[in-house]
Amino acid sequence: GAVVSQHPSRVICKSGTSVKIECRSLDFQATTMFWYRQFPKQSLMLMATSNEGSKATYEQGVEKDKFLINHASLTLSTLTVTSAHPEDSSFYICSAPGPAGTEAFFGQGTRLTVV
Amino acid sequence: SQELEQSPQSLIVQEGKNLTINCTSSKTLYGLYWYKQKYGEGLIFLMMLQKGGEEKSHEKITAKLDEKKQQSSLHITASQPSHAGIYLCGADTGNAGKSTFGDGTTLTVKP
Repeated sequence: GAVVSQHPSRVICKSGTSVKIECRSLDFQATTMFWYRQFPKQSLMLMATSNEGSKATYEQGVEKDKFLINHASLTLSTLTVTSAHPEDSSFYICSAPGPAGTEAFFGQGTRLTVV
Repeated sequence: SQELEQSPQSLIVQEGKNLTINCTSSKTLYGLYWYKQKYGEGLIFLMMLQKGGEEKSHEKITAKLDEKKQQSSLHITASQPSHAGIYLCGADTGNAGKSTFGDGTTLTVKP
């Protein structure tokens, strides 16, 4: 099946710094990718839709200036958490629709800890 | 927007017992996915159901989708400690690859 690779899997950063998370579709192209966030003991919540060649679409309540999304190519989307604060600590995961355009394939996720 | 309700929220069973997790949608489902996860780790794809009345099995796990395509159940037979984790149902929203998720069911299997 299709593979989505997410990097890094874990990152610890200091308050006020920025962190970039990469999401790559390894053997297929994805014009759209999705970014989710998960707090402890909660479900995954969609943050934004990343669109290749155009601006990302953010869900209500998600700060676009804080969570910068760039879909630089047909195989890469990045999420940058800017000026990170401890409350940004969470599990972030990306997904992309597979070649058939139906099933979603998920990255391994990134555990972000802001200290 | 489509909402998914999962029940129970948590489940503790003795090893060897059977169990069922349910997922109910407020709208007709285009596709329903079941995943297993340990918090802080990626999702493990279990099964995808698309047709009303469809049933799929893998090892000791069976998932069903009702005829109206609004309810799904995940059944584990003879549970083992390796089955422990968070089970999430996810629905295809009709926008390819964009998913909405239930709140998850945390399963603990006591040896």
